[in-house]
Amino acid sequence: SYVLTQAPSVSVAPGHAASITCGGNNVGSKSVHWYQQKPGQAPVLVVYDDSDRPSGIPERFSGSNSGNTATLTISRVEAGDEADYYCQVWDITSGHVVFGGGTRLTVL
Amino acid sequence: QVQLQESGPGLVKPAQTLSLTCSFSGGSVTSGHYFWSWIRQLPGKGLEWLGYVYYSDTPYYNPSLKSRLSISLDTSKNELSLNLTSVTAAHSAVYNCARATGATSSFDLWGHGTLATVSS
Repeated sequence: SYVLTQAPSVSVAPGHAASITCGGNNVGSKSVHWYQQKPGQAPVLVVYDDSDRPSGIPERFSGSNSGNTATLTISRVEAGDEADYYCQVWDITSGHVVFGGGTRLTVL
Repeated sequence: QVQLQESGPGLVKPAQTLSLTCSFSGGSVTSGHYFWSWIRQLPGKGLEWLGYVYYSDTPYYNPSLKSRLSISLDTSKNELSLNLTSVTAAHSAVYNCARATGATSSFDLWGHGTLATVSS
């Protein structure tokens, strides 16, 4: 089965940029989606199809995907961005949905 | 305003069946190209996809749970349901229903989740 790998944690100072990566075999050939989850809340879609943003998501959130790594970048990080972030793909071969293990973003 | 709302018993005894429902309001589960899913989160853990159903198609399940999991749509009630048989304490989790768009395969709408605890 397809596997997505994320670092457990990333720390960043306010105002700086945070990069959260999602590794997978040839993930660049798939559409990657990113979710933000704050404690006690349901996940929220922040980036879909590698780099598109849903309505209402700040432009500070951007994504890229190439080769074996997809990346979510949050520019000018704010305290309110502190959350868990998950990447997700739809494995067309199996028809299954796959989530990465999640990355906890800590704002110092 | 479209929204999803999960409901369930909260507490289930070991070896019994966990039954959850997810009500969709503000639209119909049969309209549009959407896939309706259950996703759970074990305590302190990440998101785990359980399965999805498209209203006119066969459900797809996570292979790790396929033998004991059933997901279906009740179009008359505009609801999604989950049945997980022979549960153990390891199945205690927050269970979310979510809608995925066929166009992007991303989950654009989530319920708040319902906590299911397996305990005697």
